[in-house]
Amino acid sequence: AQKVTQAQTEISVVEKEDVTLDCVYETRDTTYYLFWYKQPPSGELVFLIRRNSFDEQNEISGRYSWNFQKSTSSFNFTITASQVVDSAVYFCALSEVDNSGNTPLVFGKGTRLSVIA
Amino acid sequence: NAGVTQTPKFQVLKTGQSMTLQCAQDMNHEYMSWYRQDPGMGLRLIHYSVGAGITDQGEVPNGYNVSRSTTEDFPLRLLSAAPSQTSVYFCASSLHQMNTEAFFGQGTRLTVV
Repeated sequence: AQKVTQAQTEISVVEKEDVTLDCVYETRDTTYYLFWYKQPPSGELVFLIRRNSFDEQNEISGRYSWNFQKSTSSFNFTITASQVVDSAVYFCALSEVDNSGNTPLVFGKGTRLSVIA
Repeated sequence: NAGVTQTPKFQVLKTGQSMTLQCAQDMNHEYMSWYRQDPGMGLRLIHYSVGAGITDQGEVPNGYNVSRSTTEDFPLRLLSAAPSQTSVYFCASSLHQMNTEAFFGQGTRLTVV
């Protein structure tokens, strides 16, 4: 069965610090997809990134970067030079590809990031 | 574009009452799903649908019913509300397969007293 673990419940950093949010997943499938979503204080869920299991290249988007390592079943998210607007709950999620197509997203419990000015 | 629209945004129910949370999307997405979000629990899947006329149970389906008579709509019914169903409910849709980007509604905050 698929599982996503975000061991860090809450993280607090001072503005301009770098911060890494950890995500460890479990799956028996060789084909799967990993996601990160952001939930700001306003409550909506914002898609950040999708990565398939065959693409281990790291991705960078502005201050955001993602490190996907199949060897450790991890898909970590780093925010460089954090800003107050980065304060949110961040969710990692996994979708497997089984014989019927795909399975729905399974989410981790989330990491609450607080960036202090 | 409206995207995924959930109504109502807030609701207070008494124990035993029934109600329907509405979800509609205008993106012609095949896949729709309902999640509930509870403190410290992340998002847990209630029910999902891979297309009109097809639904399936998720992780926490008890106490909830769904139907998918059209591509656009995916209502969630609480048959007899219980305090344990106090939560924030999110509806999501995605284009073809679950591994494409899921678009979420704004959420419905439900309190059962």
